[in-house]
Amino acid sequence: EDQVTQSPEALRLQEGESSSLNCSYTVSGLRGLFWYRQDPGKGPEFLFTLYSAGEEKEKERLKATLTKKESFLHITAPKPEDSATYLCAVGHQNSGNTPLVFGKGTRLSVIA
Amino acid sequence: KAGVTQTPRYLIKTRGQQVTLSCSPISGHRSVSWYQQTPGQGLQFLFEYFSETQRNKGNFPGRFSGRQFSNSRSEMNVSTLELGDSALYLCASSSPSGGAHYDIEQFFGPGTRLTVL
Repeated sequence: EDQVTQSPEALRLQEGESSSLNCSYTVSGLRGLFWYRQDPGKGPEFLFTLYSAGEEKEKERLKATLTKKESFLHITAPKPEDSATYLCAVGHQNSGNTPLVFGKGTRLSVIA
Repeated sequence: KAGVTQTPRYLIKTRGQQVTLSCSPISGHRSVSWYQQTPGQGLQFLFEYFSETQRNKGNFPGRFSGRQFSNSRSEMNVSTLELGDSALYLCASSSPSGGAHYDIEQFFGPGTRLTVL
């Protein structure tokens, strides 16, 4: 059974204090690993897709990396507007438009 | 390009009632997936429709059902509502643009917040 575990559950940072969020996964055939950002009361906003180990993607202060067992979302010099819940999800290789399996998220608070 | 839209945004129902939620995908997207999000369980997959056919189904009781129309718009229905059905219901659509990864990235709507009293 596909599983996604995110850590920590919650993270509080000072503005400018860089850190990383972790997403560990087990899946029999990874088709893609996805990062989303979700603000309270809103739907998840797509950030990145990673397809294979060693791949990296960047967007503003965010950088996502992927290994065979986990992914990291690095946040460099965060700002208060980066406060949100960050969700990780995996897609399974063996079916069509496979349903995504989500982790429970990391709730990030950035304090000015 | 307009994003995924969901209506209504908020609903309050009582136990035993039924409810219908609507989702309009991004223009040109033919796949629509539904998820339930609760604080305890996170996001859980309900079902997925592609070209008016249910292609995948999650582990939810038969009270949860859905359908897709020829214009790719989708509805989900929950009958005989229970208190535990209170949740944010999210719809996501996928791009049909071709290639090995074309249908894997899902884009979410704002959700419908259902409260069952």
